[in-house]
Amino acid sequence: AQKITQTQPGMFVQEKEAVTLDCTYDTSDQSYGLFWYKQPSSGEMIFLIYQGSYDEQNATEGRYSLNFQKARKSANLVISASQLGDSAMYFCAMTRKGGKLIFGQGTELSVKP
Amino acid sequence: DAMVIQNPRYQVTQFGKPVTLSCSQTLNHNVMYWYQQKSSQAPKLLFHYYDKDFNNEADTPDNFQSRRPNTSFCFLDIRSPGLGDAAMYLCATSKSYPGGVNQPQHFGDGTRLSIL
Repeated sequence: AQKITQTQPGMFVQEKEAVTLDCTYDTSDQSYGLFWYKQPSSGEMIFLIYQGSYDEQNATEGRYSLNFQKARKSANLVISASQLGDSAMYFCAMTRKGGKLIFGQGTELSVKP
Repeated sequence: DAMVIQNPRYQVTQFGKPVTLSCSQTLNHNVMYWYQQKSSQAPKLLFHYYDKDFNNEADTPDNFQSRRPNTSFCFLDIRSPGLGDAAMYLCATSKSYPGGVNQPQHFGDGTRLSIL
């Protein structure tokens, strides 16, 4: 069965520092996609970054990068130069065939001034 | 900007009184999803439409129904809301195709449903 695991229920980071949010996954599929979403307290789910299972380069989008280690089945999100507005819940997710998403349980990130 | 719009943002209904949540999109995506998200939990997929084809999740209660009259609109109907149905309901869309895994889902801002 496919599964996403986020082992950090909550994280704190000092403003302007980098932070890594952990995500491991389990799948027997050869083709899959890995996604990170940000959910502020207001509730909207914001797409941040995508990594395909066949992509050899780690994905980057501005201050977000995805540290993809296929052999370890991990897809950690790195946020550089944290800002107060980065405080939110972060979900790691994986697509199955047909595009359905499997979510992890989320990590609540708090950025301290 | 192309987007996914959910109305209303907050909805209050009475126990047992039917309620409809709406979602519209200007992305022209062929797949639309409805999720239920309870406090401090991950979103849970209720069902999705691939074009006009409806796909129900096995554990979605019969109390939840959906309609998609055209590409742009999708509705979530809760026939007899119970206290346990109080949650955030998220609509999402994706440009997808059978077997596709690389298209992100784009979410609306959600409707927060309260049951009195």
